[in-house]
Amino acid sequence: QVQLVESGGGLVHPGGSLRLSCAASGFTFRDFYMTWIRQSPGKGLEVLSYISGTGTILDYADSVKGRFTISRDNAKNTLHLQMNSLRAEDTALYYCARASRNIDYWGQGTQVTVSS
Amino acid sequence: DVVMTQSPLSLPVTLGQPASISCKSSRSLEYTDAKTYLNWFHQRPGQSPRRLFYKVSKRDSGVPDRFSGSGSGSDFTLNISRVEAEDVGIYYCMQGSHWPYTFGQGTKLEIK
Repeated sequence: QVQLVESGGGLVHPGGSLRLSCAASGFTFRDFYMTWIRQSPGKGLEVLSYISGTGTILDYADSVKGRFTISRDNAKNTLHLQMNSLRAEDTALYYCARASRNIDYWGQGTQVTVSS
Repeated sequence: DVVMTQSPLSLPVTLGQPASISCKSSRSLEYTDAKTYLNWFHQRPGQSPRRLFYKVSKRDSGVPDRFSGSGSGSDFTLNISRVEAEDVGIYYCMQGSHWPYTFGQGTKLEIK
């Protein structure tokens, strides 16, 4: 069965960095686009970035463009999100999800809290 | 960005009664490939969202047939013919036609 397991969240000071990872199993990882989504009480659900199966096609929401970088390691079936210059408004539960336009499976999420 | 507007935001329903959630987009969701990338998700407290429908009306495996998705263009609806206790939670529509993909604010269904 499809499994997505996020890790790497935590408490970080404003301006700091975190690297999220998502370990995928139960499907042929390289065949699927992957997406990062976050959820916060104030902003609801927000799609942040997606990446194609080969890693050659990707895009970002304006709110994270220039600060976050999505990448994938198909040999290790792992998706990453490098988050730099973190702000208080980046505080949220971060999910990885399979596919992009027709997101189907979600991980359980990893909490990111940006606070001094 | 495409704005997805759901209504109502709160939906108290008696068990066994029907329920309907509207989702309207600020522009047509028909993509250049003539497909409409409109998804519906259900999120129970403390859980990740689970997809119910994709491309407006294609039901996911395991979703009871008392759920149905319909609509076109910029006007979509999720219907539940007879609400059961397990249906409580928040329902979200999401468009995947225009980047950045966007979600509605969510509709909280509760049992009266």
